[in-house]
Amino acid sequence: AQSVTQPDIHITVSEGASLELRCNYSYGATPYLFWYVQSPGQGLQLLLKYFSGDTLVQGIKGFEAEFKRSQSSFNLRKPSVHWSDAAEYFCAVDTGTASKLTFGTGTRLQVTL
Amino acid sequence: GAGVSQSPSNKVTEKGKDVELRCDPISGHTALYWYRQSLGQGLEFLIYFQGNSAPDKSGLPSDRFSAERTGGSVSTLTIQRTQQEDSAVYLCASGLAGGGDTQYFGPGTRLTVL
Repeated sequence: AQSVTQPDIHITVSEGASLELRCNYSYGATPYLFWYVQSPGQGLQLLLKYFSGDTLVQGIKGFEAEFKRSQSSFNLRKPSVHWSDAAEYFCAVDTGTASKLTFGTGTRLQVTL
Repeated sequence: GAGVSQSPSNKVTEKGKDVELRCDPISGHTALYWYRQSLGQGLEFLIYFQGNSAPDKSGLPSDRFSAERTGGSVSTLTIQRTQQEDSAVYLCASGLAGGGDTQYFGPGTRLTVL
């Protein structure tokens, strides 16, 4: 069965600093890969997704993610973090046959001013 | 356009009572999913609907949990004889086709079982 690992439970960055959130997956083939963000008391909002093709994916709010097959990783990046980016971030995979998302445990991002 | 809506937003119930949670998907979305988010277990898949059929119910934790979808639209998740461990946020999502398609999430229903 597929699994997703987000090794960082909590990350703190200063506003304006760069950000990288790590995500590793375990699956025999290349799955569909997603990053979602959840603000307190809110549902999940899709930031970006990878299905195939270009391994560098651009998303909303200035986020991007790079798929690296050799490392089974799909790390999320942003060059300059804003205070409003403080939230919880979830990486997820869908094998395409299971029709369900398997989520990582999430990374809580705190932004200091 | 309108997103996925869920009701109620909050539900407090007593142990042993039955609860119904409602999900209204995005119009035209044939795929509908229920997930549960709890502190101890993170985000867990419960059930997937394609139209009115549920080809994957593998995440339902016990026979106290059931769900139905009518008219290819609204879905109801029912929890019978609620237990304290059922306390969680129940999230609904919908998508166009399933199988790798993007899922759009509702705001969730926070269930508290006293």
